[in-house]
Amino acid sequence: GQNIDQPTEMTATEGAIVQINCTYQTSGFNGLFWYQQHAGEAPTFLSYNVLDGLEEKGRFSSFLSRSKGYSYLLLKELQMKDSASYLCAVSAPGGYQKVTFGTGTKLQVIP
Amino acid sequence: DGGITQSPKYLFRKEGQNVTLSCEQNLNHDAMYWYRQDPGQGLRLIYYSQIVNDFQKGDIAEGYSVSREKKESFPLTVTSAQKNPTAFYLCASGEDVGTYEQYFGPGTRLTVT
Repeated sequence: GQNIDQPTEMTATEGAIVQINCTYQTSGFNGLFWYQQHAGEAPTFLSYNVLDGLEEKGRFSSFLSRSKGYSYLLLKELQMKDSASYLCAVSAPGGYQKVTFGTGTKLQVIP
Repeated sequence: DGGITQSPKYLFRKEGQNVTLSCEQNLNHDAMYWYRQDPGQGLRLIYYSQIVNDFQKGDIAEGYSVSREKKESFPLTVTSAQKNPTAFYLCASGEDVGTYEQYFGPGTRLTVT
């Protein structure tokens, strides 16, 4: 089966750094996605990690450890507009690229 | 502009009625997906299609039906057999190779009373 865990809610201060963790247990693994979703809107793609290590993209970075079944999303220089839900999702082989989504972490950025 | 569209944004229906949600994409993607999102839950896959005239059930297909007659279109019908149809429905499309990134439409919020 597929199981993805991430914290339900987090609060951080504008200008600070926040790390959102994700752990997973899946049958097979191809890669791990992070999506951002503002309330009532569609998810938008942030990153896709296939290999171990850190990938940086502007203010956002994503880390993957396949042996530990662990990933994190790092957001630097937080802005108010970063208040959103962050969805961790794992892609695994399954006839098609089966993607299983976590329940998401709701991040609130406060002044 | 390339993208994926869903209409309408909000939809209200009476219990016992079937309703069809539209999804159109002009990204030339082969794969299309329908998800359902409920408060406090992750996205759950209803149906997916990898190619025209072919589609497969996802994790929660009961009470739903789809068609894929054109590459650009993947409508979802919520039938009266779906016990809890009120939810936020998201359509997505993507390449079946490479990063497998999925592009989501704006969603349709369906309320059944």
